[in-house]
Parts: sequence; structure tokens; C-alpha cells
Amino acid sequence: SQKIEQNSEALNIQEGKTATLTCNYTNYSPAYLQWYRQDPGRGPVFLLLIRENEKEKRKERLKVTFDTTLKQSLFHITASQPADSATYLCALGSGSARQLTFGSGTQLTVLP
Amino acid sequence: DAGVTQSPTHLIKTRGQHVTLRCSPISGHKSVSWYQQVLGQGPQFIFQYYEKEERGRGNFPDRFSARQFPNYSSELNVNALLLGDSALYLCASSLEQGIYGYTFGSGTRLTVV
Repeated sequence: SQKIEQNSEALNIQEGKTATLTCNYTNYSPAYLQWYRQDPGRGPVFLLLIRENEKEKRKERLKVTFDTTLKQSLFHITASQPADSATYLCALGSGSARQLTFGSGTQLTVLP
Repeated sequence: DAGVTQSPTHLIKTRGQHVTLRCSPISGHKSVSWYQQVLGQGPQFIFQYYEKEERGRGNFPDRFSARQFPNYSSELNVNALLLGDSALYLCASSLEQGIYGYTFGSGTRLTVV
């Protein structure tokens, strides 16, 4: 069955450092991968989408890589700030499927 | 421009009862999806509707049903509620069935007692 694993349930880093979150998947051939941010009691907020034929995407302090051979995506937040503290979710989608399959998320805490 | 709006925000129901959750998508978005999120887990897909037709259904029992109206708003109905249905129910709208990313509402927190 399809499985998505996000590394460590919780990640603590010091302000100003780069946070790196990992998303691994098995038994899936996604056409695209999305990253979302979720704050407590709120719905997920879309951050970035990367397609299977793309290696890297950037948006301001965010960078996503997508390696379909390793079946892995890395999500980087550079110059992290306490306001970046949240749960980050990766989600896979395919061209034919009408749904996103989410990982369980990584809770990031940026310490001042 | 208003985002995705869901109502109610919180709801407490008794086992065996029925519940209806409502969602209004972003203006211009024709696709609405429903997800269930249990505490500590990622959202799990329930339904997707596009242009008022069901385009996808997740692995949920027939107690769960949904529909989309001509104005693209949507309802999620759950019959014969179980304790395990307690969760955050999220509605998401998108332009083209999510391939450009979804905009989620803040959800409806359903508690079944």
C-alpha cells in the first residue's frame, strides 16, 4: 500500500539556521508533490508544488527538491524564524487521482 | 476576497446521530474536496467534487456522502455517527482539481460523544 513518511515527528532548530524536512514515499508514482504548513486549530496552507520532472523549486526562503529515483523530497527553510514554527505536511498527487495523500507531518520549532 | 469558509466551526453530536457540514469555496473555484484529520495525523481524503460531479472518493464507509451545489458550495453528510468520527473536517477548494495547490478552510471540529 502507499506509504508516506516524514522524518521525525518533531524538529527543533535555532533561529537563523536552515531547517531541513524529509518526505519519503513508497508504492507511489506521484505526478507532483506539495508542501503545506499547518498551525494548531487551522487548516493547512499551501506553500509549494513541484512536479515529477522538476528537480528543485524555490520561493523566498523556501526550497523544495524532488528525487523520484530516491522517492524523496526535501523541504528547506533558510534563515529560520520563530514565526516559522508550525507543522509541515507533504502531500502526493497523481495526474489520474483526484486526491492528495498526506504524510503525518513534522512539527518544527524554531528557538529564539 | 474571502477564503474557503466552513460552518459550523465546532459541533458536538451523540453517537448514532447525523451531521451536515458546509463549505463555500473561493469565488471562481469549481473544485471542492473534503478531508478528515484526526489529531496527530495528516488529512485523509474523503471526496472530491468538480463541476457538481463526484470525481473521487476515499476509503470511507457509505455513511459518508457529499454533494456540490450549482454555486459550487458543498455539503458533507455523515450518518449514524461513531466515536471514531470525531475529527477535524477540512474543506479545500482549487481551480483545477488541485494540480495547482489547494486552499483549505479552517475546518469543522466534530466531537462525537
